[in-house]
Amino acid sequence: DTGVSQNPRHKITKRGQNVTFRCDPISEHNRLYWYRQTLGQGPEFLTYFQNEAQLEKSRLLSDRFSAERPKGSFSTLEIQRTEQGDSAMYLCASKSQGADNEQFFGPGTRLTVL
Amino acid sequence: DAKTTQPNSMESNEEEPVHLPCNHSTISGTDYIHWYRQLPSQGPEYVIHGLTSNVNNRMASLAIAEDRKSSTLILHRATLRDAAVYYCILRDVGGSGGSNYKLTFGKGTLLTVNP
Repeated sequence: DTGVSQNPRHKITKRGQNVTFRCDPISEHNRLYWYRQTLGQGPEFLTYFQNEAQLEKSRLLSDRFSAERPKGSFSTLEIQRTEQGDSAMYLCASKSQGADNEQFFGPGTRLTVL
Repeated sequence: DAKTTQPNSMESNEEEPVHLPCNHSTISGTDYIHWYRQLPSQGPEYVIHGLTSNVNNRMASLAIAEDRKSSTLILHRATLRDAAVYYCILRDVGGSGGSNYKLTFGKGTLLTVNP
């Protein structure tokens, strides 16, 4: 399967713990996005990478959140000191160069903070 | 990105056509109209996009009004696998929209397909 993959698919953690999610984009895609989706809502943009450079961060991305894409390939999203409000589906998408190419989404990581 | 308005939900019968409307009265000249759908427990997937002319692909057709203030996604023969939330998104690929091509999702339309 050459699509976008995300790990883990599900994560249950206790409030105050740190969690890290991984996204492996489609190999030739230089653009990578993270979105967050809560129940009944559409996905909300969190951050965007072009190759290894993080070029935009949403104001939704508090200082407890950090994302990296060290070699311009896979990306990680870490949440420190998790809160119950962080419970959501975290989606990763990738896209090739070009103005109107589609974004390809992964299956998401569902985070539950107890 | 400019805002879109979609009905919260629609219902269809299997093997019948479905017309999903989207209003975007504040669309600008450089906004592309994108449709994505999200099946239960999956990430969104691209359906179709267009700028001014109607578009067809293997999944659907996109009919764009002449003034571009509205569009309609057409599923020619709905199947049970088409049951999903459908999102209509405007994506500015020029002007002040920047080059990040992020997607701004609304709540979309929940399509139910009856057997």
